[in-house]
Amino acid sequence: GDSVTQMEGPVTLSEEAFLTINCTYTATGYPSLFWYVQYPGEGLQLLLKATKADDKGSNKGFEATYRKETTSFHLEKGSVQVSDSAVYFCALRLTPNSGGSNYKLTFGKGTLLTVNP
Amino acid sequence: KAGVTQTPRYLIKTRGQQVTLSCSPISGHRSVSWYQQTPGQGLQFLFEYFSETQRNKGNFPGRFSGRQFSNSRSEMNVSTLELGDSALYLCASSLGGKETQYFGPGTRLLVL
Repeated sequence: GDSVTQMEGPVTLSEEAFLTINCTYTATGYPSLFWYVQYPGEGLQLLLKATKADDKGSNKGFEATYRKETTSFHLEKGSVQVSDSAVYFCALRLTPNSGGSNYKLTFGKGTLLTVNP
Repeated sequence: KAGVTQTPRYLIKTRGQQVTLSCSPISGHRSVSWYQQTPGQGLQFLFEYFSETQRNKGNFPGRFSGRQFSNSRSEMNVSTLELGDSALYLCASSLGGKETQYFGPGTRLLVL
């Protein structure tokens, strides 16, 4: 079945360090890919997305490129801040076959990021 | 525009009871999806409603059910609660389903 695998956490970095969180996927079709972020005690917020191969999603200094050849969507940020401390989820959504309508998101397990001052 | 709202935010129940959770989507959104988040299983899809009809369902027992009203507000119900139902229940809305899903803050359910 369809699945998302992301690097186990927790990840602990110092402020201004470079961040990479790896995400790979298995899917039967051509999915859209997402990164969501969850701050303590809150729901999920969409961070960025990409809908086709070679697309780059970006937001708030975070970037991820849809790599079909490696089935990956790694999240990167050049200089993290304490306020980036959160749990990050990689997710995919399949494009339903003609006539289909299943738009459910399939999530990875999440990666806890802690940024120290 | 107001975001997705969920009520209540916190709930404590005992085994065997039932519970109803509510979700109000973003204005104009007609698709509402529900997810369960637990430390062990992560985020799992429960079901999706569109125009008052359940359009998709995840792999959960029949104790988990839901409905959607004509104003797109949705409720989910869990009957005969078990300890393992303790989780954060997240609701997400989108315009028609295939667009980006926006999540609410969740309802944290504790079953004792």
